[in-house]
Amino acid sequence: SQKIEQNSEALNIQEGKTATLTCNYTNYSPAYLQWYRQDPGRGPVFLLLIRENEKEKRKERLKVTFDTTLKQSLFHITASQPADSATYLCALPRDSSNTGKLIFGQGTTLQVKP
Amino acid sequence: NAGVMQNPRHLVRRRGQEARLRCSPMKGHSHVYWYRQLPEEGLKFMVYLQKENIIDESGMPKERFSAEFPKEGPSILRIQQVVRGDSAAYFCASSQTSGSKETQYFGPGTRLLVL
Repeated sequence: SQKIEQNSEALNIQEGKTATLTCNYTNYSPAYLQWYRQDPGRGPVFLLLIRENEKEKRKERLKVTFDTTLKQSLFHITASQPADSATYLCALPRDSSNTGKLIFGQGTTLQVKP
Repeated sequence: NAGVMQNPRHLVRRRGQEARLRCSPMKGHSHVYWYRQLPEEGLKFMVYLQKENIIDESGMPKERFSAEFPKEGPSILRIQQVVRGDSAAYFCASSQTSGSKETQYFGPGTRLLVL
C-alpha cells in the first residue's frame, strides 16, 4: 500500500529564509499530490495541488515540485514569516479510484523565528 | 457562507458510552470524508459518503463504528461502546464532487476523549 514519509523533525529557520519541506512516497505514482497547512487545534487547510504531469506549481510565496522518478515532492516557502509557523501535511490519493480519498503524511512542523 | 461545521468541538465520554459526531458540509457540497488523527500520527481516512450512500468505508473499523449522511441534515459518525483507544481528533472534509480536481475543505475537528 502507498506510504508517505515526511521529515518528522521540526524545521527551524530564520525569518526571510526559504523553508523547504520534503514528501516522499513509496509505491505507485499518484495522479496528483496535495499540500495542506494545519495549525494546532485546527483542521487542515488546502494550499496547493500538483498533478503528475506538472513539474512545478507556484502560488504567491509557495512553490511545489513533483518528481515522479524520485517519488518526491518538495514544498518551498520563500521569504518565510513567523506567521508561516505551522505543520505542513503532504497528501496523496489513497488509491487509483479517483474518488478523492486521501492518505496523509505525519506532517513536518515549521518554526520561523523572527 | 460558513465553512465545514463540526460539533461538538470537544467530547468527553466514559468507556462503554456512545459518541456521536456531527459534520455539516459546506453549502453545495454533497461529498463527505471522515478522517481520524491520533496524537503524533497523520490523518487516516475512515469513510467516504455521498448523500444517503456510503461509498467507501474501508478505513473504518468494522465493529462499533458507523457513519451516515442522510438526505437532510448533517453527516454523523457514531462510535458505540467507546474505548480509550478511540481518543483522537476526528475531522470531516467535504467537496463539491469527487476526484482530483476537487479541493477538500476540512472542518475544525471534534476532539474525543475517552476516560
